[in-house]
Amino acid sequence: GEDVEQSLFLSVREGDSSVINCTYTDSSSTYLYWYKQEPGAGLQLLTYIFSNMDMKQDQRLTVLLNKKDKHLSLRIADTQTGDSAIYFCAESSAGRRALTFGSGTRLQVQP
Amino acid sequence: SQTIHQWPATLVQPVGSPLSLECTVEGTSNPNLYWYRQAAGRGLQLLFYSVGIGQISSEVPQNLSASRPQDRQFILSSKKLLLSDSGFYLCAWSSPARAPYEQYFGPGTRLTVT
Repeated sequence: GEDVEQSLFLSVREGDSSVINCTYTDSSSTYLYWYKQEPGAGLQLLTYIFSNMDMKQDQRLTVLLNKKDKHLSLRIADTQTGDSAIYFCAESSAGRRALTFGSGTRLQVQP
Repeated sequence: SQTIHQWPATLVQPVGSPLSLECTVEGTSNPNLYWYRQAAGRGLQLLFYSVGIGQISSEVPQNLSASRPQDRQFILSSKKLLLSDSGFYLCAWSSPARAPYEQYFGPGTRLTVT
């Protein structure tokens, strides 16, 4: 079945760049997503990328997709303390109703 | 614009008691609806999804059930709660007809079974 994996924890200093990585197994994935979850809250969609793209940039966020290696990354430039949260990678494929989520990466930003 | 509501925000229930969590969506019609559970420090587990009124699919066998009595209302229930039902329950919706099929989440309900 489908599987999405992420590292559990990342710590960076304020002002540095953060890179959160994700790998997936479903070669028929059509869209890949990044969500942010702040403590005690629901998930907020940050961005998504179509599987025929290899990069998408949105302000401080850059998504890189290596479809051959089934590797997705989220780069946050100039990381701020407000970026501290859990980041979930997810994927979908045509015909499947729901997204498959990774277990989330907790990003800690130190001042 | 679309909004999604969940209530209650927090709930403490004894083992063996019933459960009813409600989710409603505004600003869209015929959404796909989902219930997820997030255990402490863990990822999201899909529990149920629905593509229309009265149409419910269960992803995992469990002590819970779901119903969709109206187009934009999704209810998660249990007749008798177990300790293992504790967790953070998230409702989500997506548009069935529009790629990229992203899901939008409610604020969640934190359930503690004592």
